[in-house]
Amino acid sequence: DAGITQSPRHKVTETGTPVTLRCHQTENHRYMYWYRQDPGHGLRLIHYSYGVKDTDKGEVSDGYSVSRSKTEDFLLTLESATSSQTSVYFCAISDRLASYEQYFGPGTRLTVT
Amino acid sequence: AQSVTQLGSHVSVSEGALVLLRCNYSSSVPPYLFWYVQYPNQGLQLLLKYTTGATLVKGINGFEAEFKKSETSFHLTKPSAHMSDAAEYFCAVSDVNNNDMRFGAGTRLTVKP
Repeated sequence: DAGITQSPRHKVTETGTPVTLRCHQTENHRYMYWYRQDPGHGLRLIHYSYGVKDTDKGEVSDGYSVSRSKTEDFLLTLESATSSQTSVYFCAISDRLASYEQYFGPGTRLTVT
Repeated sequence: AQSVTQLGSHVSVSEGALVLLRCNYSSSVPPYLFWYVQYPNQGLQLLLKYTTGATLVKGINGFEAEFKKSETSFHLTKPSAHMSDAAEYFCAVSDVNNNDMRFGAGTRLTVKP
């Protein structure tokens, strides 16, 4: 299994509070991704990174920001959480030079009350 | 923009029966196609992928898929279903020009004894 961890694995927070989710990899892969998974929508890309300090928006980026100060860490921040951001969040990594598949972390279940 | 449509959000088969999960894609350039499986409360695991070469691709756990350019399809099959195949399956598309991957909404496979 690819070395990807996510923290926390579960979180309950209140509307309006800031939340940061962390993804950590030990594979030294260049690309890192944040997705959210909701019933009926599959996985939708929030943001991705193609190198340290290099990030770009995905399909559903509104209300989210990201940062990548080290190759191994990719942080997802909800500046002011809303109930519509209740979801399961997955981090993924990819080494596009070798292949194009993505390897996924175990996920973080976030509930915003 | 690339996209994926999975026909059937739920598929139910009897143990030992053929499994057929349908996936159609849209891409303006040659696609890279993937099938992932997700077991309850886990991340996504790659089943198989098509990038170039042979259009019939074999994956793990006895699954295979055939890339049909004329039909823009990449259907997933397994000759004989096992109880352990019960999970959610996602088809995804990427290509050399895109840094992201687009997922279908998923198909939940139920296997009846």
